[in-house]
Amino acid sequence: EAQVTQNPRYLITVTGKKLTVTCSQNMNHEYMSWYRQDPGLGLRQIYYSMNVEVTDKGDVPEGYKVSRKEKRNFPLILESPSPNQTSLYFCASSLRQGTYEQYFGPGTRLTVT
Amino acid sequence: AQSVTQLGSHVSVSEGALVLLRCNYSSSVPPYLFWYVQYPNQGLQLLLKYTSAATLVKGINGFEAEFKKSETSFHLTKPSAHMSDAAEYFCAVSEGFGTGANNLFFGTGTRLTVIP
Repeated sequence: EAQVTQNPRYLITVTGKKLTVTCSQNMNHEYMSWYRQDPGLGLRQIYYSMNVEVTDKGDVPEGYKVSRKEKRNFPLILESPSPNQTSLYFCASSLRQGTYEQYFGPGTRLTVT
Repeated sequence: AQSVTQLGSHVSVSEGALVLLRCNYSSSVPPYLFWYVQYPNQGLQLLLKYTSAATLVKGINGFEAEFKKSETSFHLTKPSAHMSDAAEYFCAVSEGFGTGANNLFFGTGTRLTVIP
């Protein structure tokens, strides 16, 4: 089954404790992206990757890192999480950048205390 | 620059009534437009997309949207609401193959409630 998977689905952590949210897709997609969803703000892009070893900042990259060493994986790293990073995070992938449909993962709800 | 405005963060309709969710966009080039649906505790799922072909686009679950360039709108409609349509709906715009900017820019969402 074609899908985007994220882990963990739920995470509660404390300020400053490094964490990684994994994202994997099995559709051989070139383009992958991370979004955060906050009430009243919709989805905002954090980082995106157009292919292996090619990443760039989205609208709200501060406090986040990403890497794209393999085509299927695009982990999101929070080196020193802060309470304002409490949010619902979605990973998405599409065949390429542009008009192609984006497939979304199920989301990761992160709480930073 | 591209942007999307969704009028009404919450919309309530009776079961069987018309669903109308509004979306207006701003784009410096001919846009590509999308509607996504998010059911509770799930990721987003594509409902339909406009990519400069027919201006009336039909999607899944009986939804459709009409691209109106003169009004810069892409409103989502469904003739008869079903209880299973209760969800949050997001309009999004893309300028296609840009220079490395956002692939998709989302509106703030409209939560649809269907009243039995």
